[in-house]
Amino acid sequence: GQQLNQSPQSMFIQEGEDVSMNCTSSSIFNTWLWYKQDPGEGPVLLIALYKAGELTSNGRLTAQFGITRKDSFLNISASIPSDVGIYFCAGTYSGAGSYQLTFGKGTKLSVIP
Amino acid sequence: GAVVSQHPSWVICKSGTSVKIECRSLDFQATTMFWYRQFPKQSLMLMATSNEGSKATYEQGVEKDKFLINHASLTLSTLTVTSAHPEDSSFYICSARAASGGRNEQFFGPGTRLTVL
Repeated sequence: GQQLNQSPQSMFIQEGEDVSMNCTSSSIFNTWLWYKQDPGEGPVLLIALYKAGELTSNGRLTAQFGITRKDSFLNISASIPSDVGIYFCAGTYSGAGSYQLTFGKGTKLSVIP
Repeated sequence: GAVVSQHPSWVICKSGTSVKIECRSLDFQATTMFWYRQFPKQSLMLMATSNEGSKATYEQGVEKDKFLINHASLTLSTLTVTSAHPEDSSFYICSARAASGGRNEQFFGPGTRLTVL
């Protein structure tokens, strides 16, 4: 099946710094979703994107649906310690079953106070 | 809104026993629910797609007789791990699709940690 390339795999940043992570695919995606997962918990939806070029913010988080529909990025501004966790991109594409999500491998974010 | 619960949050069982995990959408109706498993430090792996009132669709490599899925109502899906073995130990997570105006958002439960001794 389709795979999403998510990068970076992990990152260590200083509190207050901005963070950027992205996902790319070889196929066109119809939907891009960004989730955050804390240890021992289920993923929590952060931002959902439905149109190419769409730029959406949720507090300090901003995500964009790439124009080519093959990529998306997530930015976190002014990071704080509670931003620590694993961030997953996910999306749906026409070749998969209806509404099935394909997940990236995650970006582990560590914030140094 | 869009809250999904799972029960139990963790379970320890003996090898050979069956374990049932419940997934409920608390404040919305979910015609489609999904079951995932996640191994440590890995991403989520889709096991099956469950549509209310019909048989689940399993991903390649997932044994349907081992992982029984029932989606009897618009707010409840269950996953039963039959004759569990240690290799079935994992973190099982369900999600429910909230359909609204063509948008496709999946909301995840908190997960169930299964340990098979």
